[in-house]
Amino acid sequence: GEQVEQRPPHLSVREGDSAFIICTYTDSATAYFYWYKQEPGAGLQLLMSVFSNVDRKEEQGLTVLLNKKDKRLSLNLTAAHPGDSAVYFCAVSETGYQNFYFGKGTSLTVIP
Amino acid sequence: DPKIIQKPKYLVAVTGSEKILICEQYLGHNAMYWYRQSAKKPLEFMFSYSYQKLMDNQTASSRFQPQSSKKNHLDLQITALKPDDSATYFCASSHTGGSDYTFGSGTRLLVI
Repeated sequence: GEQVEQRPPHLSVREGDSAFIICTYTDSATAYFYWYKQEPGAGLQLLMSVFSNVDRKEEQGLTVLLNKKDKRLSLNLTAAHPGDSAVYFCAVSETGYQNFYFGKGTSLTVIP
Repeated sequence: DPKIIQKPKYLVAVTGSEKILICEQYLGHNAMYWYRQSAKKPLEFMFSYSYQKLMDNQTASSRFQPQSSKKNHLDLQITALKPDDSATYFCASSHTGGSDYTFGSGTRLLVI
C-alpha cells in the first residue's frame, strides 16, 4: 500500500521566516494531494489541495510544490506568524475520496 | 456551526467495555469515513461508507463496527476495548468523487 513519509517531525522558526515541510509517497497512481493544519484539540483544517496536473500552487502565503517524478510534495509557509503554530499533515489519495494516506505530521512552532 | 458533529468530544472507558462514537454530518454528503489518530502512528483510514453501504474496511479487528442508521450518520461501535484503542477518532465526509472532503473535530478516547 501507499507509504507517506513526512519531515521534519518538529520545526521551529522565527516570526517572519519561512517554514518548509516535505512529504514523499510511493504509489505512482496517487493523483490527489492535500495539506492540513491541526490546532490543539481541533479537527483537520484543509489548507490546500492539488491535483496531479499541477506542479505549483500558491494561496495566501502558502506554496505547494508537487514533483511527480520524485513523488515529492512540499509546503512552504512564507512569513510565518505565531498563529501558524500547529501540526501540519500532508495527505495523498488515488481517487480524491475514499481513503486518504497521511504523513505523521510536522509540529511547527513560530517564535515571536 | 460545525458541519460535522462528533460526540462525545472526550471519552474514558474501562478495558473490556463497549462504546459508541457518534458522527453526524450536515453537508449533504453521501460518503462518510472513520480515521484513527494515535500517538505513535499517522492518521489511519479505517472505514468508508457510500450511500450507507460499506465500501472499504482497512481495520483488521472486528471489534470495530460502523453503524449507519441514517444517510448522514456513521457511528463507530467499539467492543472489548483495550488500552491500545486509546486514540482520537475522526469522522469525515464527502461527495463521492468530490474535493470537499471534510473532517470532524474528533473524539478522544482513553481506555484505562
